[in-house]
Formats: sequence, C-alpha cells, structure tokens
Amino acid sequence: DAGVIQSPRHEVTEMGQEVTLRCKPISGHDYLFWYRQTMMRGLELLIYFNNNVPIDDSGMPEDRFSAKMPNASFSTLKIQPSEPRDSAVYFCASSFSGAGTQYFGPGTRLLVL
Amino acid sequence: AQSVTQLGSHVSVSEGALVLLRCNYSSSVPPYLFWYVQYPNQGLQLLLKYTSAATLVKGINGFEAEFKKSETSFHLTKPSAHMSDAAEYFCVVSDGGSSASKIIFGSGTRLSIRP
Repeated sequence: DAGVIQSPRHEVTEMGQEVTLRCKPISGHDYLFWYRQTMMRGLELLIYFNNNVPIDDSGMPEDRFSAKMPNASFSTLKIQPSEPRDSAVYFCASSFSGAGTQYFGPGTRLLVL
Repeated sequence: AQSVTQLGSHVSVSEGALVLLRCNYSSSVPPYLFWYVQYPNQGLQLLLKYTSAATLVKGINGFEAEFKKSETSFHLTKPSAHMSDAAEYFCVVSDGGSSASKIIFGSGTRLSIRP
C-alpha cells in the first residue's frame, strides 16, 4: 500500500485566499483524522471522520475551517479565507479503529503570507 | 478522563548512551499506550504500542517501553543511541474503545544525539 497520501506537500498563499488540502487514506481504514502542528501549540486534532461521517470537529479553530469526506478514499480540509496564523503543517492520518494505531501522511506545509 | 505528560521537551544524549524518554499517563480505564516518532519533515510513525498484553513492549529500531501500572508510566528506552534516532517522540494514551476523541497525544520530546 502507498500509505496515506496528502497533496500538495507545500502551499504558499496570500492572506484571504482559499486553501484546499487533500488526503487519500489507506484503503480499508474506517477512520480519518486531520491534525495541525505548530511550534507554539504542538500537534492538535482538528476533526475526525468514521465511515465518512464527521464525528468530532471540536478542534476546528473557527468557521473559516471546513472538512469533508465525500467517499472512503478522499477527504479535504478547506480554509477560507486564510490568515497568516493558519501557517502550519497539516497532517492527515487514518486507522482501522478509533483508538488504534494511526498511519500518518507526510503532511502539507502551509505558509500564508 | 485521560491525560498524558511527557517529562522534558528536549533530551540530549551522546551517541552510544542510554536513551530514556519519560511518559506518565492517567486513565480511568485500562489504557492503550503508544509511542510515535517523527523524523524531520515527515509524518508520525508508530514506534511501539501497549494494548494490555505483555508489559514490556519492543518496537522498531531497538526501542522498548515498559508499562508500569503502579507508577502510571510508559517510559521509552534504547540501550545505545544512534545518530539516526534524532527525532521528536510522542507518547499517546487512549481508552482502547472506539472513540477516537479519547486519544490524547503528549506534547512531544525532541531527542538530540551528540557525536
């Protein structure tokens, strides 16, 4: 298996622009997670899905952030409008079970100018 | 409720020396415990996990961790550090159930290796 795939790997955008991050989980995994990692706040869980349904989005910082999972093999995390404080590395992870081992993608490094 | 504490945000050891990264947890139910490693510019990957079987768990790259219920600890060790071990290490606790909301990541410990 190719593992969790994220695109793009790097994104540089200007404040106010829309940003869309993409994730393809490992085939057969029922859970998909979106995380954000910064030096200041460390690793934060933003939202997770089970069987394509959002279960817990309490970590989503504000309404500018939205996530979707239209099918079992694809998810997006959208920021609209983007702000400089959104600059971070965003990780997608997937797993067979909610509390089991998570498999992380390589991350998307986002820089908002 | 669960929580996890990693003692020391940064640990530095000499190559060939013992590596000890400390993790303490609290959990109201028997926990599942994990150590993940993150190499520079990469995602996290599983190093080892404890799921209520043997209390001494062996992982990849010569690492191991021991679950000590009486001390609520799950410290990570490696007898002899290698330069390639330089990375950030995360201790993680979950309740072993189906709710991913109860997975708690520690704040991470950055391990540096001195030549």
